[in-house]
Amino acid sequence: DAGVIQSPRHEVTEMGQEVTLRCKPISGHDYLFWYRQTMMRGLELLIYFNNNVPIDDSGMPEDRFSAKMPNASFSTLKIQPSEPRDSAVYFCASSLGAHEQYFGPGTRLTVT
Amino acid sequence: DQQVKQNSPSLSVQEGRISILNCDYTNSMFDYFLWYKKYPAEGPTFLISISSIKDKNEDGRFTVFLNKSAKHLSLHIVPSQPGDSAVYFCAASDNQAGTALIFGKGTTLSVSS
Repeated sequence: DAGVIQSPRHEVTEMGQEVTLRCKPISGHDYLFWYRQTMMRGLELLIYFNNNVPIDDSGMPEDRFSAKMPNASFSTLKIQPSEPRDSAVYFCASSLGAHEQYFGPGTRLTVT
Repeated sequence: DQQVKQNSPSLSVQEGRISILNCDYTNSMFDYFLWYKKYPAEGPTFLISISSIKDKNEDGRFTVFLNKSAKHLSLHIVPSQPGDSAVYFCAASDNQAGTALIFGKGTTLSVSS
């Protein structure tokens, strides 16, 4: 299995632009998680899905952030409009059951 | 308020010695605990886990100890190797409630040869 796939690996954009991060989970996994990692706050859970349904989005910082999972093999995290404080590494993870999560390589987002 | 705390941001150990990474938690409902390892430019990878019904779990050079009364767990790496140099994250969840993992901020381990 290829593992969790994230794209792009790096994204540089200007403030105010829309950013879309993509994730393909491991086939057969029923949970998908989006995390954000910063030096100040560490690894924060933004939102997670179970069987494509959002279960907990309390970690989503603002209405500028949205996530979708249209099917079992694809999810997006969108930021619109982006701001410099959104600069971070964003990880997607998937799991069978809610425990041993497998992480993707992350997307490093820089908003200038 | 941090529910999972790793109070040591960094740890330096010599090759061959024991590395002990510590983690404290505040939520008494947590019943499942995991350690993840992360290399630069990669995502965290699962290392070892322990359920609250146990106080020790061992996998090769890695052992996790759980002290429920103290709300404390530790990861022991024996012997430490230079390839173990990475950031180690502690994570916990309330399995009964089906909550997602809560991660600590990580400890950077440096193993020198």
